[in-house]
Amino acid sequence: QKEVEQDPGPLSVPEGAIVSLNCTYSNSAFQYFMWYRQYSRKGPELLMYTYSSGNKEDGRFTAQVDKSSKYISLFIRDSQPSDSATYLCAMRKGGSEKLVFGKGTKLTVNP
Amino acid sequence: SQTIHQWPATLVQPVGSPLSLECTVEGTSNPNLYWYRQAAGRGLQLLFYSVGIGQISSEVPQNLSASRPQDRQFILSSKKLLLSDSGFYLCAGEPWGGYNEQFFGPGTRLTVL
Repeated sequence: QKEVEQDPGPLSVPEGAIVSLNCTYSNSAFQYFMWYRQYSRKGPELLMYTYSSGNKEDGRFTAQVDKSSKYISLFIRDSQPSDSATYLCAMRKGGSEKLVFGKGTKLTVNP
Repeated sequence: SQTIHQWPATLVQPVGSPLSLECTVEGTSNPNLYWYRQAAGRGLQLLFYSVGIGQISSEVPQNLSASRPQDRQFILSSKKLLLSDSGFYLCAGEPWGGYNEQFFGPGTRLTVL
């Protein structure tokens, strides 16, 4: 079993839809959770990171962590065509310098 | 704000040729630095990371090497490229004290023919 699992999609939604992106993990040592957005042929950019279980909101984006289920989510409200990108989850164990990434989910928001 | 510079943006090299990719960081001191490779459908693979000048940790044994000659410079090298070295190479940095704020450069797309 891989440490981090992420459905690669692709996911296609109409503009204005609520998007739900998810990752599961197997190692309870992961303590920090991040979401990155990567446009085609560009480097990833950090969207959000969370530490504790629960929700964290930033504008149209909400990150959710459920440590008991080893499950994290990113919700995008009122999705826009500019949200079309690949979304990568990433996780980190306490005290580690390394991130472990999911494979990414490719999202397309259609106008 | 922190910025990572990488060059070149694209590179086409023959099998067996050497490689040198350079990454420099602006806007922060004593960063942790990382080299990743991204292949289609395989996600981001950590190749090397460095917590300081001359300190290199290798994650994947292969024909690549890394060096950090200066605080904000990180170099990825190979003496002889293989076809399997093709991919999108990304340099990333993490500011000292900026735990979980890893930021990426624009990447170099390498094609080995």
